[in-house]
Amino acid sequence: EPEVTQTPSHQVTQMGQEVILRCVPISNHLYFYWYRQILGQKVEFLVSFYNNEISEKSEIFDDQFSVERPDGSNFTLKIRSTKLEDSAMYFCASSRKGTVLETQYFGPGTRLLVL
Amino acid sequence: DAKTTQPPSMDCAEGRAANLPCNHSTISGNEYVYWYRQIHSQGPQYIIHGLKNNETNEMASLIITEDRKSSTLILPHATLRDTAVYYCIVRVATGGGSNYKLTFGKGTLLTVNP
Repeated sequence: EPEVTQTPSHQVTQMGQEVILRCVPISNHLYFYWYRQILGQKVEFLVSFYNNEISEKSEIFDDQFSVERPDGSNFTLKIRSTKLEDSAMYFCASSRKGTVLETQYFGPGTRLLVL
Repeated sequence: DAKTTQPPSMDCAEGRAANLPCNHSTISGNEYVYWYRQIHSQGPQYIIHGLKNNETNEMASLIITEDRKSSTLILPHATLRDTAVYYCIVRVATGGGSNYKLTFGKGTLLTVNP
């Protein structure tokens, strides 16, 4: 069964450093998402992406964050200058279409720790 | 999207049916009920969704009351691997934009005991 993959599974970085989290969505999917989950808290939407453009972003997704689909398979989340509060699990998801009836499939996540 | 209310935790014996309730009293006619689950520290996993009819798939059954103000997710024969946080999410069926995202609450932690 096709699945969303994410790399790395764990990332430790120093505050102020840039990190890039990578995702390979399911191959025939067109809509891509990033969510994050701070330890012990809810899963929170960050951004949705379609046709090489951001469809929607949350208040969390400020100028420190950016997303890109650099090639036909990868979808990346970049945090330019990490803060302590960016420590969280980051989940990538994808769906075939953007309609609400389309299931979003989630990857296993990247655990980011900012020291 | 309508607000949902779920109990924070439930226990179930292995092999028995797990019935997870969700209240969504402000649901409107074009809103679907979705269920996802999250096994510890893994990505959320889709389970099932429905509008007004009861639905069943290989994972679970979804029972929606006639007035649509509440629903129950049923895992017919719970196993230890079903221990997870279960999220009930209500989503508008029409339009785009903000309807794409999933809005997770705190969910119900289901613990399946041997």
